[in-house]
Amino acid sequence: GQSLEQPSEVTAVEGAIVQINCTYQTSGFYGLSWYQQHDGGAPTFLSYNALDGLEETGRFSSFLSRSDSYGYLLLQELQMKDSASYFCAVRRLDNFNKFYFGSGTKLNVKP
Amino acid sequence: DTEVTQTPKHLVMGMTNKKSLKCEQHMGHRAMYWYKQKAKKPPELMFVYSYEKLSINESVPSRFSPECPNSSLLNLHLHALQPEDSALYLCASSQGVSGNTIYFGEGSWLTVV
Repeated sequence: GQSLEQPSEVTAVEGAIVQINCTYQTSGFYGLSWYQQHDGGAPTFLSYNALDGLEETGRFSSFLSRSDSYGYLLLQELQMKDSASYFCAVRRLDNFNKFYFGSGTKLNVKP
Repeated sequence: DTEVTQTPKHLVMGMTNKKSLKCEQHMGHRAMYWYKQKAKKPPELMFVYSYEKLSINESVPSRFSPECPNSSLLNLHLHALQPEDSALYLCASSQGVSGNTIYFGEGSWLTVV
């Protein structure tokens, strides 16, 4: 089975840095992905970690540590438009077509 | 073109109705998905088609019936639904073996009355 846990809600101010954690218990996966979903919209891809370490994409960075069963999404220079829900997701090793999503974190960015 | 299109965007149906949700992608992806999402919850996997064949059914009730007419199209046929089936239904696609990303459509908001 799989379980990906995230904090339910995080609040930060514009211009700040925020880290959204994802701890997981899963039997094996190809990599850890992050998706953003605005209210009323569809999830959109942000970042992917196949290997341990940090991946940087503009203001967003993502980190994976398989030995610690842990990953995070780091958002820098927060903007109001970053207010959204963020999901970590894994692609299962036993079936590469299975993508499972974490519990989700609602990020509120305040002025 | 990284677009997955879904129709209709909104659907209201009675418990005795039969309706269908439709999805189309032209990215050449060989895996297509249906996910169900309730408010404030993550997307929940329902079905996966790989090379036009049903490869995963996550124990979804038979009142939901998927169909993949060709490599670009995916349908979800709905019959005798319950009010608790009201949710956002998301279609998605990925490249399959080599794809680490799935691309979602905007979803179909379903209300069962």
